[in-house]
Amino acid sequence: AQRVTQPEKLLSVFKGAPVELKCNYSYSGSPELFWYVQYSRQRLQLLLRHISRESIKGFTADLNKGETSFHLKKPFAQEEDSAMYYCALPSGTYKYIFGTGTRLKVLA
Amino acid sequence: NAGVTQTPKFQVLKTGQSMTLQCAQDMNHEYMSWYRQDPGMGLRLIHYSVGAGITDQGEVPNGYNVSRSTTEDFPLRLLSAAPSQTSVYFCASSSPTSGGAGDTQYFGPGTRLTVL
Repeated sequence: AQRVTQPEKLLSVFKGAPVELKCNYSYSGSPELFWYVQYSRQRLQLLLRHISRESIKGFTADLNKGETSFHLKKPFAQEEDSAMYYCALPSGTYKYIFGTGTRLKVLA
Repeated sequence: NAGVTQTPKFQVLKTGQSMTLQCAQDMNHEYMSWYRQDPGMGLRLIHYSVGAGITDQGEVPNGYNVSRSTTEDFPLRLLSAAPSQTSVYFCASSSPTSGGAGDTQYFGPGTRLTVL
């Protein structure tokens, strides 16, 4: 069965420290994975998708098929990165599976 | 473009009451979905639609109905509200680029529902 796992509910880091938000998936075939972000009191929005291979707001994510992971990384965390982050995977056509989310807190 | 809009923003219901959460999008997207967001459980798909007149169940459809009479609107109906339906509800839309899978979803601002 297709599944997305985000093992950390909460991740706290100090400003300027590196950040890694973990996402593991279970999928048969070549997955296309997404990271969505929800800032406080705002709607969810796309942060990045692996197919575009872009760096958005300093975040990157590499698809590792061997480890079935799509971890989100940023070398130097900023306070404005504090938010809820969701990893997502298409499930068949038209549907998506979201992970349980990781709340990132960047401490001053 | 307003994108995806949802009304109301907040709602308090008593057990057994019914109500409709409204969702509209002005991007001419074919696909629309309803999710509920609960602490520790992430987003779970309630119902989705691939076009006007076509709807299907998601992961947690019980207690909810949907219809899609137009491309723009996708209302979610709670038939008889229960405390277990206390949640934040998000509507989302997307447009197919290649077969439907892997399209960016655009979310509404959410409706926070409390059932007493």
